[in-house]
Amino acid sequence: EPEVTQTPSHQVTQMGQEVILRCVPISNHLYFYWYRQILGQKVEFLVSFYNNEISEKSEIFDDQFSVERPDGSNFTLKIRSTKLEDSAMYFCASSKTTSGEETQYFGPGTRLLVL
Amino acid sequence: AQSVTQLGSHVSVSEGALVLLRCNYSSSVPPYLFWYVQYPNQGLQLLLKYTTGATLVKGINGFEAEFKKSETSFHLTKPSAHMSDAAEYFCAVRVNTGFQKLVFGTGTRLLVSP
Repeated sequence: EPEVTQTPSHQVTQMGQEVILRCVPISNHLYFYWYRQILGQKVEFLVSFYNNEISEKSEIFDDQFSVERPDGSNFTLKIRSTKLEDSAMYFCASSKTTSGEETQYFGPGTRLLVL
Repeated sequence: AQSVTQLGSHVSVSEGALVLLRCNYSSSVPPYLFWYVQYPNQGLQLLLKYTTGATLVKGINGFEAEFKKSETSFHLTKPSAHMSDAAEYFCAVRVNTGFQKLVFGTGTRLLVSP
């Protein structure tokens, strides 16, 4: 069964460093998402992406964040200058359409720790 | 704005007992509701979803949920817990406007004892 994959599974970085989180969505999906979950808190929406453009973003997704689909398979989240509060589990998801009933399929997540 | 409240960050049951995980939502328009499960070191997996039609929805692994508009609830149940059900469960709401982000609850960790 097709699945969303994410790399790395864990990342430790120093505050101020740039990190890139990678995702491979399901191959025939057109819509891509990033969510994050700070330890003990809710899973929060960050951004959605379609047709090489951001379609919606939350207030969390400020200028230090960016997303890109550098080729036909990868979808990346870049954090330019990490802060301690960026420590979280980051989930990538994809869906075929944006119909409300459409299922978003999630990857296993990348646990980011900023020291 | 849409929101979801999950009562109980942890629920403990014995193997074979009824599982009941509570979810209440807030939405000004008809919602689409989802339950996801996360097993250790794995991603979020869809258990079931309510879109339209029948209010009692059956999902994988013997779980079901009932959409009750009057109570703004979408509680998840399973008649008989199994050890393998131990996981974190997330309720989420999605509204069919814009690009349909999911709004999640805080999650409930289900513990199953022998």
